[in-house]
Amino acid sequence: NAGVTQTPKFQVLKTGQSMTLQCAQDMNHEYMSWYRQDPGMGLRLIHYSVGAGITDQGEVPNGYNVSRSTTEDFPLRLLSAAPSQTSVYFCASSHTQGVNTEAFFGQGTRLTVV
Amino acid sequence: GNSVTQMEGPVTLSEEAFLTINCTYTATGYPSLFWYVQYPGEGLQLLLKATKADDKGSNKGFEATYRKETTSFHLEKGSVQVSDSAVYFCALSENYGQNFVFGPGTRLSVLP
Repeated sequence: NAGVTQTPKFQVLKTGQSMTLQCAQDMNHEYMSWYRQDPGMGLRLIHYSVGAGITDQGEVPNGYNVSRSTTEDFPLRLLSAAPSQTSVYFCASSHTQGVNTEAFFGQGTRLTVV
Repeated sequence: GNSVTQMEGPVTLSEEAFLTINCTYTATGYPSLFWYVQYPGEGLQLLLKATKADDKGSNKGFEATYRKETTSFHLEKGSVQVSDSAVYFCALSENYGQNFVFGPGTRLSVLP
């Protein structure tokens, strides 16, 4: 019962460095998404995907890239990290059909950009 | 656009006290409403949800009723426990559980 797995759990980057946050799910969910959590602002949607090969932008996509080559994986790429990207990042997945579908969240990646 | 407003807290209660966390929303359509809970160092877990007006979601002693006339989804629990200490997020989704819009979260501390 792995659910949604995010790696790494913690990361410190220097300004301008690049990195990829990994997200994998083993529930055969079509929908996957990335959120960032900042104090006093709740979680905000960065990018999402409704299936392999399909991605779209959320509320705060600037500075982030995504791709979805498989159903299981949805990596988030920071091409040139900035201090404003210091945050906690959560990946979530769910089925796309049905009133009773439930979203499952990973445990988060705490990123600090110095 | 859609938005969710909730009391930010922190809220500090004694064990067995009554809990209310207010949540109101603005939406262009007819969203589903959710309460998520985040325990220290963990991700978000679904606490309860309601998908249409007048629905009541309930779980682990927590309840919330979808009130379309007041655009509210207040969270209540009759008797809180120390183990309920966490951050609670109100959220909406216009497609049942995707592309959430979250409130800022309310930190609850329950003292023995």
